[in-house]
Amino acid sequence: AQSVTQLGSHVSVSEGALVLLRCNYSSSVPPYLFWYVQYPNQGLQLLLKYTSAATLVKGINGFEAEFKKSETSFHLTKPSAHMSDAAEYFCAVSAANTGNQFYFGTGTSLTVIP
Amino acid sequence: KAGVTQTPRYLIKTRGQQVTLSCSPISGHRSVSWYQQTPGQGLQFLFEYFSETQRNKGNFPGRFSGRQFSNSRSEMNVSTLELGDSALYLCASRSRTGSYEQYFGPGTRLTVT
Repeated sequence: AQSVTQLGSHVSVSEGALVLLRCNYSSSVPPYLFWYVQYPNQGLQLLLKYTSAATLVKGINGFEAEFKKSETSFHLTKPSAHMSDAAEYFCAVSAANTGNQFYFGTGTSLTVIP
Repeated sequence: KAGVTQTPRYLIKTRGQQVTLSCSPISGHRSVSWYQQTPGQGLQFLFEYFSETQRNKGNFPGRFSGRQFSNSRSEMNVSTLELGDSALYLCASRSRTGSYEQYFGPGTRLTVT
C-alpha cells in the first residue's frame, strides 16, 4: 500500500515570502501524486498532479511541485505567498496496484502573515 | 461541466437516528468515493463505488453503508448515529482513465447531538 507523510502540520510565512510545504510518499510501484487545497467549510480543490510525465508540475494559483524519486518527495512551492493562500493543504498518493485508491496526508495548515 | 454536488450541505441529527447523504458526480464520471473528515482523524476513506459496485472499503463499522445508482449518483447512510459521527462528509468523483484524479464536492456537515 501507499502512504504519505506531510512534515509540519502548521506553517507560517510572511506575505511575499516563499511557500514550501513538504510531502514524502511511500509506494512500491510508480505513483500518481496530488496536491489539494481546502478553504474553510469547503471541499478539496485539486492544485496539481504528477502523472509520470514532467517531474516539475505547475498548478493553479502559481503553485508548483517537483517529483524527486530518489528522495521520494513531492514538495509544494510558491515563490511569493499571498493572503488568499491561507488554507489547509493535502498531499495524496495513488497507484495501480491498490486500485488507484487515494491515500491522504494529515494536512498542513498554511498561515500567511501580512 | 457542473462539479460534484452534495445534499444537504448541513444536517443536525440526534444520537441513535439514521441519516442519508447524497452525492451527484461530475457528468461522465462513474466512480464515486466517500470520505469522513474530522479535526482529530483527518481525511478517512469510507468506500468507493464504480458502476453500482463497491470497489474499495475503508475501516469503518457496518453502520456506514453506501450505494450507487445506474446514473452514478451515490448515497451514503449512517445508522444508529453516535456523537463521534459528527464530521464533514466529502464525496469525490473521478474518471477511471488516466491519472484518476478525484474531484470533490463541498461536503455535508453532519452534527450529531
